[in-house]
Amino acid sequence: DTGVSQDPRHKITKRGQNVTFRCDPISEHNRLYWYRQTLGQGPEFLTYFQNEAQLEKSRLLSDRFSAERPKGSFSTLEIQRTEQGDSAMYLCASSLAAGTGNTIYFGEGSWLTVV
Amino acid sequence: DQQVKQNSPSLSVQEGRISILNCDYTNSMFDYFLWYKKYPAEGPTFLISISSIKDKNEDGRFTVFLNKSAKHLSLHIVPSQPGDSAVYFCAASPFLFSGTYKYIFGTGTRLKVLA
Repeated sequence: DTGVSQDPRHKITKRGQNVTFRCDPISEHNRLYWYRQTLGQGPEFLTYFQNEAQLEKSRLLSDRFSAERPKGSFSTLEIQRTEQGDSAMYLCASSLAAGTGNTIYFGEGSWLTVV
Repeated sequence: DQQVKQNSPSLSVQEGRISILNCDYTNSMFDYFLWYKKYPAEGPTFLISISSIKDKNEDGRFTVFLNKSAKHLSLHIVPSQPGDSAVYFCAASPFLFSGTYKYIFGTGTRLKVLA
């Protein structure tokens, strides 16, 4: 049973560069989430998909951020023109839309450092 | 506006004793709650959930209590073990009321279990 997989685990980039993170959810899960976590804070919601449809986006997701889930399986999160304030752990999670529960399972996260 | 609050940033407990982690929320529409454990540089690991139709849920050493009138939940770990040392997050979602499946997280409590 494979869990949520994220790639790369670590990324160091220069300010102004673009970066892309990939997330592969648990295989039968149809909901996929992106969160961001900075030191001393809890995970902050960015966006989520049900299948390929992006159902909700946070105000945190500025124009420089875009997320896609083209075939309802894996997802990518792209950050354009990175800024130092983008340095954080980007967490992907997935869940199965069934029943009354909706437990979300996280991947290991992708660390971004913008220098 | 912090809708989910964990007011104790840290807690130390002796091995074998009970650990009690607290979480308060402000949005009365929250109806599903999760607890996660997080080690450094890893993604959060799901521990236990509770729906607003219950006031208690148990899973092994972990028990979650929900007091809807006080908008308060707590996680009890008995007996505490050194491997429980981690940061614990509570998360809440209003998904039955509003149809949104996003979770709002607290800022976490760092638990240290002393051997």
